[in-house]
Amino acid sequence: DSGVTQTPKHLITATGQRVTLRCSPRSGDLSVYWYQQSLDQGLQFLIQYYNGEERAKGNILERFSAQQFPDLHSELNLSSLELGDSALYFCASSTRPDRYEQYFGPGTRLTVT
Amino acid sequence: DQQVKQNSPSLSVQEGRISILNCDYTNSMFDYFLWYKKYPAEGPTFLISISSIKDKNEDGRFTVFLNKSAKHLSLHIVPSQPGDSAVYFCAVKGSSNTGKLIFGQGTTLQVKP
Repeated sequence: DSGVTQTPKHLITATGQRVTLRCSPRSGDLSVYWYQQSLDQGLQFLIQYYNGEERAKGNILERFSAQQFPDLHSELNLSSLELGDSALYFCASSTRPDRYEQYFGPGTRLTVT
Repeated sequence: DQQVKQNSPSLSVQEGRISILNCDYTNSMFDYFLWYKKYPAEGPTFLISISSIKDKNEDGRFTVFLNKSAKHLSLHIVPSQPGDSAVYFCAVKGSSNTGKLIFGQGTTLQVKP
């Protein structure tokens, strides 16, 4: 158990809809990361927050947005969903914002039908 | 374009033998090179790292080698055990002041008893 929790575990929704994925980092970790793993793909970095502020951005679509709240939990919002958004979404956390050793949650599997 | 490539989707070895997983990268400016391991239904877990100023790092049965001239990274597992069966991702740390990781597509290792 990494100490990172993600909810929900599974999500099935229709095209055009909007969903919110939630992540609680390990106790004491100030940095949160979001990664997307599509079928047969490696993990793609989406975005990083550190202590409530955006720290780094990857190839995150404009339809996607994220934020980190004062209690350090983070939410990833996906809107106008398309079939290609079906993927595993992982959240990870670390103590410092430049750490390569990151602790990953179990992921949220999103299926868009 | 893929900055980190794992050209072998899968590898099968006999218990007790050596497993060698390979990874190629394109950018000589990366400062840290990593291996993560992933079991089904779990998030990736950090396994081992190597700094760009070194060419070898060992941790128990796991050794990572870095060949900077060839832009090549490898992970050796000796001896391989059935519990090592998992997906192995190589990754690089994308910049010095963030934790952005760039992952390869992963190699599924099967260790047969």
